[in-house]
Amino acid sequence: GNSVTQMEGPVTLSEEAFLTINCTYTATGYPSLFWYVQYPGEGLQLLLKATKADDKGSNKGFEATYRKETTSFHLEKGSVQVSDSAVYFCALRIGAGSYQLTFGKGTKLSVIP
Amino acid sequence: DVKVTQSSRYLVKRTGEKVFLECVQDMDHENMFWYRQDPGLGLRLIYFSYDVKMKEKGDIPEGYSVSREKKERFSLILESASTNQTSMYLCASSDINYGYTFGSGTRLTVV
Repeated sequence: GNSVTQMEGPVTLSEEAFLTINCTYTATGYPSLFWYVQYPGEGLQLLLKATKADDKGSNKGFEATYRKETTSFHLEKGSVQVSDSAVYFCALRIGAGSYQLTFGKGTKLSVIP
Repeated sequence: DVKVTQSSRYLVKRTGEKVFLECVQDMDHENMFWYRQDPGLGLRLIYFSYDVKMKEKGDIPEGYSVSREKKERFSLILESASTNQTSMYLCASSDINYGYTFGSGTRLTVV
């Protein structure tokens, strides 16, 4: 079956530190990959996506590269801010005709001044 | 922008009550989803719908039902609420190009 594994949190960083949140996947087929972010008290928002191998998704200073050889989609940011404190979810979708997303369990990030 | 609106942010209900959670989207999306979110368990799919009057069970449908009489509205029903259904409930809609758009969530407490 399809599954997504994220590094367990919580992750606590100081402001301006480098962020990496690991995400690996298992999929039957060729997935599209997504990162969603959930700020406190809110629903999930799409942060970035990549639809094929070697694609790089980017948004708000965050980046993730679709690595087929390592089945990974790690989220990175060069310099985090307090406002980046949130829960981050990695997700995949199989096939162009499918609308279902499979989510990881989420990684909580806290950034301290 | 696509908007998904959940009717309540917070609800408190008694054990045994029938509970309705409402979700409305304004972008004519065919697909709608209900998830529950619990600490340490992430998001778990309860039900989804590909079209009006169509529904499919997700991973944890027990104790829930859904209704989709109009394309823009997808309701989650707790037939007889129990304390283990205390959770955050998230509705989403999607099309093929943009992934999911989520509502802000309803935090339900069953006492």
